[in-house]
Amino acid sequence: QVQLVQSGADVKKPGASVKISCKASGYSFSSYYIHWVRQAPGQGLEWMGVINPTGGGTNYAQKLQVRITMTRDTSTTTVYMELSSLRSEDTAVYYCARSPDRNSGYYLDYWGQGTLVTVSS
Amino acid sequence: DIVMTQSPDSLAVSLGEGATVNCKSSQSVLYSSNNKNYLAWYQQKPGQPPKLLIYWASTRESGVPDRFSGSGSGTDFTLTISSLQAEDVAVYYCQQYYSTPYTFGQGTKLEIK
Repeated sequence: QVQLVQSGADVKKPGASVKISCKASGYSFSSYYIHWVRQAPGQGLEWMGVINPTGGGTNYAQKLQVRITMTRDTSTTTVYMELSSLRSEDTAVYYCARSPDRNSGYYLDYWGQGTLVTVSS
Repeated sequence: DIVMTQSPDSLAVSLGEGATVNCKSSQSVLYSSNNKNYLAWYQQKPGQPPKLLIYWASTRESGVPDRFSGSGSGTDFTLTISSLQAEDVAVYYCQQYYSTPYTFGQGTKLEIK
């Protein structure tokens, strides 16, 4: 069965960086894109960006462009999302989610369990 | 950015009754070359990740009960639950995947009356 398993919760100080992993299994890793979506406490969903597991190409939300990096390791079918220069507003649950390719539609059909990142001094 | 606006923000419906959630986009999400609306609906229960219900505005995801349906085109969309069940209590989100950033609506909280 399709699974996206994320790394555990983390606490960071303002100005630090966080790197979250998302291990995919149960499907052809190269056939689906991976998106990152975050949700601040009690708030709605915010799309952060997407990575093509085949070539590694990325597309980031402009507001995060200078602070976010998505990478993948095809040998372990794992995608990573790193966010730098953390501030308190980055406190959120971070989700990875799978979609078909752009032509088939970027709807998110499977989601990871979420990773809580707390930014606090 | 395309702004997605849902209405109402919250909704209380009796068990067995119908529920309707609306979603309006600030610009059309209908791609003329394939006549598809780049619009999805998700359900999120407390402490869980969102779950895909509907994509292409009206295509039900496999395994989703047929009491859930989506309609609309262009800028105006609707999620309808035909007969509310207790397990449908959740927050519902629409999302456009027409252009980046792929924005979500603010969410509609559905409760039992």
